[in-house]
Amino acid sequence: EAQVTQNPRYLITVTGKKLTVTCSQNMNHEYMSWYRQDPGLGLRQIYYSMNVEVTDKGDVPEGYKVSRKEKRNFPLILESPSPNQTSLYFCASTLGRANTGELFFGEGSRLTVL
Amino acid sequence: SQKIEQNSEALNIQEGKTATLTCNYTNYSPAYLQWYRQDPGRGPVFLLLIRENEKEKRKERLKVTFDTTLKQSLFHITASQPADSATYLCALDENTGFQKLVFGTGTRLLVSP
Repeated sequence: EAQVTQNPRYLITVTGKKLTVTCSQNMNHEYMSWYRQDPGLGLRQIYYSMNVEVTDKGDVPEGYKVSRKEKRNFPLILESPSPNQTSLYFCASTLGRANTGELFFGEGSRLTVL
Repeated sequence: SQKIEQNSEALNIQEGKTATLTCNYTNYSPAYLQWYRQDPGRGPVFLLLIRENEKEKRKERLKVTFDTTLKQSLFHITASQPADSATYLCALDENTGFQKLVFGTGTRLLVSP
């Protein structure tokens, strides 16, 4: 089954404690991205990757890091989480513009930073 | 500034009626526009894509229109059912040469029996 898998789905942590949210897709997609979703602000892109070892900032990259060492995985790293990073995070992947451009989303990771 | 606007108020309709959701944008020239469905606590799910040279697209009970002059897309669900209750997001391609979708905040649809 084609899917994007995120872990953990729920996490409560404290300010400054490094954490990683993993994302894996099994569709051989080249393009992957991370979004955060906040009430009234919608989905905002954090980082994206067009292929292995190619990553770039989205609209709200501050406080986040990513890596793309393998095609299927695109982890999101919060080196020193702060309360304003409390949000619902989504990983997504797509074949890209040449196809429908349809984004496949994971089920989301709800993060609370105390 | 660039904006995508969807009605933030929930749309309440009765089962069997047609639901019409609006997506307006300013200062974008998208090559295409997409619509997604999102259920509470779940990831968005792709529904339809319409390109800039297409006026209308249909899929089963769904219809999308795209007016690049008005800078507006309308999303219709005909013969709506309670199972159609969800939040619907529009997303447009920034047309910058690679995949970059910008999302609206979504409109919540509630279909009562």
